[in-house]
Order: sequence, then structure tokens, then C-alpha cells
Amino acid sequence: GAVVSQHPSRVICKSGTSVKIECRSLDFQATTMFWYRQFPKQSLMLMATSNEGSKATYEQGVEKDKFLINHASLTLSTLTVTSAHPEDSSFYICSARIGTGLDYEQYFGPGTRLTVT
Amino acid sequence: AQTVTQSQPEMSVQEAETVTLSCTYDTSENNYYLFWYKQPPSRQMILVIRQEAYKQQNATENRFSVNFQKAAKSFSLKISDSQLGDTAMYFCAFISTSGTYKYIFGTGTRLKVLA
Repeated sequence: GAVVSQHPSRVICKSGTSVKIECRSLDFQATTMFWYRQFPKQSLMLMATSNEGSKATYEQGVEKDKFLINHASLTLSTLTVTSAHPEDSSFYICSARIGTGLDYEQYFGPGTRLTVT
Repeated sequence: AQTVTQSQPEMSVQEAETVTLSCTYDTSENNYYLFWYKQPPSRQMILVIRQEAYKQQNATENRFSVNFQKAAKSFSLKISDSQLGDTAMYFCAFISTSGTYKYIFGTGTRLKVLA
């Protein structure tokens, strides 16, 4: 099946610094990429949806200036957590979709654990 | 707004036995997709099974099958011949076929298969 990678898998950063997480679709071009956040023992919460070459659409309550999403190509999307704080510590998962409308497949990356100290 | 509810936070089953995980959802739409995803300790989300709402026949994938009751808005997952590798968090998910096609996930059921 199709593979979505994330880098890094784990990152620890100090409060106030920024950290970038990459999401790549390895063997397909993604129509759309999604970023999710998952707190311990909780469900996935959609943060934003991005399409290549256009601005990301953020879900209600997600600070777009704090969580910068860049969708540089059909195979790469990045999430930058700016001025990170301990409450930003979480598991971040990206997902890449190929196809449109009812004819699509969606694949998830392995996630990135962010710890802000 | 659509919602997905999983009322069983945790379940356990003996190896080789059968277990059923419950999921209910709420929507006013007629066309949509429903999914069960598995998240093992590695945290990688794995698609278990997918059901199109317009299909009356319940989806099956090897040991995994669903009981889709559209009128009742119920979508349960049955795992037959449970294996230790089935131990994971299971999420029920809904996606509308109109608009943005965004997943809505339930809160999850933690399944433990006992040896």
C-alpha cells in the first residue's frame, strides 16, 4: 500500500523555540494533506487541511499563526509549531489523500511525538 | 453537525474468541462513508474496514466484519478468532461525501486480547 512518512518521529524542544515536522507521501502525489493532533488516550482531532499551492484551512480553535502549515509540493507538507509551549506537547499525525470526491484513498503517517520542556 | 460515539472505552477478549465493538453516529446526510481504524501501540493508524452508506451489504475483511444499520445509525465491528496482534485502540470514523470530506473520529475503544 501507499506510504506516508513523518520526520522526525520524536522531538524534544525548549519552550519558546519553533519546531518543524515534515510529512511526505513516498510513492504517490497527494491531492490533500491533513494534520491531526492526538492527546494521550484520546481521539484524533483535525487541525487543518492543506492543498498544494494554497493556504491551509484551519479548524475552529486552531491558531493558524502558531501552527504554520506549508504545502510545498504534492508530496510534502510541513507543520511548524512556533514559540512552542509545554501545552503544545502532543502526538501529531499527518494524513495524505489521493483522489477526489468519492473515489479516494487516505493514508496516515506514523506520527510525531513532540515534547516541549 | 456530525458526531461519532463509541460507548465502550475498554474491552477485553480471550484469544480465538469473538468480540464486537460498538459505534453510533449522527448525521442528517444520506451519503457517507464509515470506517474502522486500528491504532496499535506503534501509533500507526491502520484502516481495518470501510463501508459506503449506499451499500446495504455489510463489509467484510477476513476476520473483520461490520454490522451496518443505517436507520439506527449504528456501525459495529466484529472481530472473529481474535489474535494477540489485534490488541490496539480502535476508532470508528465518519466522512461526509459532501463538502470537505473530513474525517470525524470517535473517542476510541481500547481492545486487549488475552492469551
